[in-house]
Formats: sequence, structure tokens, C-alpha cells
Amino acid sequence: AQSVTQLDSQVPVFEEAPVELRCNYSSSVSVYLFWYVQYPNQGLQLLLKYLSGSTLVKGINGFEAEFNKSQTSFHLRKPSVHISDTAEYFCAVKGGTSYGKLTFGQGTILTVHP
Amino acid sequence: SAVISQKPSRDICQRGTSLTIQCQVDSQVTMMFWYRQQPGQSLTLIATANQGSEATYESGFVIDKFPISRPNLTFSTLTVSNMSPEDSSIYLCSVGKAGGSDTQYFGPGTRLTVL
Repeated sequence: AQSVTQLDSQVPVFEEAPVELRCNYSSSVSVYLFWYVQYPNQGLQLLLKYLSGSTLVKGINGFEAEFNKSQTSFHLRKPSVHISDTAEYFCAVKGGTSYGKLTFGQGTILTVHP
Repeated sequence: SAVISQKPSRDICQRGTSLTIQCQVDSQVTMMFWYRQQPGQSLTLIATANQGSEATYESGFVIDKFPISRPNLTFSTLTVSNMSPEDSSIYLCSVGKAGGSDTQYFGPGTRLTVL
């Protein structure tokens, strides 16, 4: 079984500042990792994913994440945030034995202040 | 990616009644899933909708409460039966292809309030 821990439930930040949203996972098998974003009153949109290969993955809207197998982490970063990045961000994991099943973290609410 | 639509987008229902939520995809997909997002919480998988056979339910979810249909490769329904206020949640449809690594895409969700 897999589990995901998002270490911060809320992250306030000022516009144009850098941000890191932290995600740790546990699994006994190889995993695939995802970050989704949920804007207010909307569904989930895929930001980026790690399947294999380069540990630094780039996604939409200037976000990137780094897979660290030794630390079982997949932190999301953006060098300069915008007001429009205000949303809830979910880290999710899919394990090799969990056919199709995504396990989600609790979510991190990112609030960007002017 | 896939374009996914859900109906209704939101509803307010009385306790004891049932609501059927529809999920339509613009292309054939192997896997369809139903998730629940309770207020202020993360997403929890309810079941995997299997085309041509019964849905596969996760621990804590049963067919009598959440019957699911999957008549073809582009459409599924989730019914929330005998509703109580605890069923107030966002219900999301998700689709993907077979295989461990494939990405899941999500519909816009159905916001259900039970009075």
C-alpha cells in the first residue's frame, strides 16, 4: 500500500516570491508520482508527473518537481508565483501493484498575496 | 488528454433520496474511476467502474450505497443512494488507460449538498 504526506496544509506567500510545496510518500514498490491543482470550484488539473528517467520534471504554469528516491520526496517548486497560482495542490502516488488507483495527500492550500 | 463532463454540476437534495451523477468522456477509455472529496479533505477513491462487469469498490464503500454503471467505454454513472448529510461532498469522475503509469484525468466534479 502507498501513502502520501503533504507536510504543509497552508502556504501563504507574496507575489513574485519562490514557493516549495512539500510531498513525501511511502511505498514498498516503485511508484509514479503526480501533482494536481484544484482551483476554487473546479476539478483537478494535472500539473506534472514523474514516471521514470530524469528526476527533475517540468510541468505547466512554470512549476517543476524533483523526485528524490532516497528521501522518498517529490516536492513542487515555482521560482516566482503569481496571484493566479492561488489554489489547492494535491500530491498523488500510484504504485506498481495498485492497478489504476491514485492515493492522494491531504492537499496544500497556496495563497498568493499581492 | 481527455475531455470529461459531469452532470449535474451541483445539486441540493433531501435526505433519504438518491441522486445519479453522469460522467461522459470524449474518447474511449479503459479505466473510469469515481472519487469523493468531502469538505476540506482530500480525494478518496470510491470504486473503479468496469465496462461490462460489476464495479470494484474500495474498502468502506458498498454497491448498495453507491451503485455504478458502465455501459460503454465513454460513459458511467454513480448513484448516491438513501442520502444523508454526511454524503455532502464533491464527486469526481476520473479516466485513464490500463497500466500502472498512465495519467488519470479528472472531470469538473459534482457538488452535492444533502439537507
